[in-house]
Amino acid sequence: ILNVEQSPQSLHVQEGDSTNFTCSFPSSNFYALHWYRWETAKSPEALFVMTLNGDEKKKGRISATLNTKEGYSYLYIKGSQPEDSATYLCAFNTGTASKLTFGTGTRLQVTL
Amino acid sequence: SAVISQKPSRDICQRGTSLTIQCQVDSQVTMMFWYRQQPGQSLTLIATANQGSEATYESGFVIDKFPISRPNLTFSTLTVSNMSPEDSSIYLCSGTGQLKETQYFGPGTRLLVL
Repeated sequence: ILNVEQSPQSLHVQEGDSTNFTCSFPSSNFYALHWYRWETAKSPEALFVMTLNGDEKKKGRISATLNTKEGYSYLYIKGSQPEDSATYLCAFNTGTASKLTFGTGTRLQVTL
Repeated sequence: SAVISQKPSRDICQRGTSLTIQCQVDSQVTMMFWYRQQPGQSLTLIATANQGSEATYESGFVIDKFPISRPNLTFSTLTVSNMSPEDSSIYLCSGTGQLKETQYFGPGTRLLVL
């Protein structure tokens, strides 16, 4: 059974703060690691697909790093804004027909 | 990228009834999947929807409970049969082109079973 863990479970920050979340996954049979941003009543929005150890990806104020040897990925948000409030999900892919195993997510709330 | 729509967006159903959820993709995708998220739980894969053949179910999910159709490359349905309150969840469909590529999701169907 694959186990993907995310921490913290929830986070409440002030506007302008920078923050980061952790995703832990099995280091064996790694194929790809996905990050999603999910707002209530909307489709989960794909942020990054990461495949290589040491990968670093950036999209605006959001960036992510990947360590496949030790089985973790970090997601960073620089200068948080209220519109960043959402649940951030990571998902692990072993390469078996694109099936994703998700963590339970980190719920971020950014207030003024 | 692909845009995925789902119908209905939400529903409240009585136990013992069935609900069919539709998923439409705006472009052809190789693979389509159905997931659910029970309250407080992670998104969990129910099955892979195979075009023109029986879906491939994950452990703990069976065809009699969750029949799935995929008549073409852009459309799929999931039926939640003989519903009980434990079936109250968000159901999402997704699609992807190839392995390692981004998997796109619909907005979900929020189901409450009374």
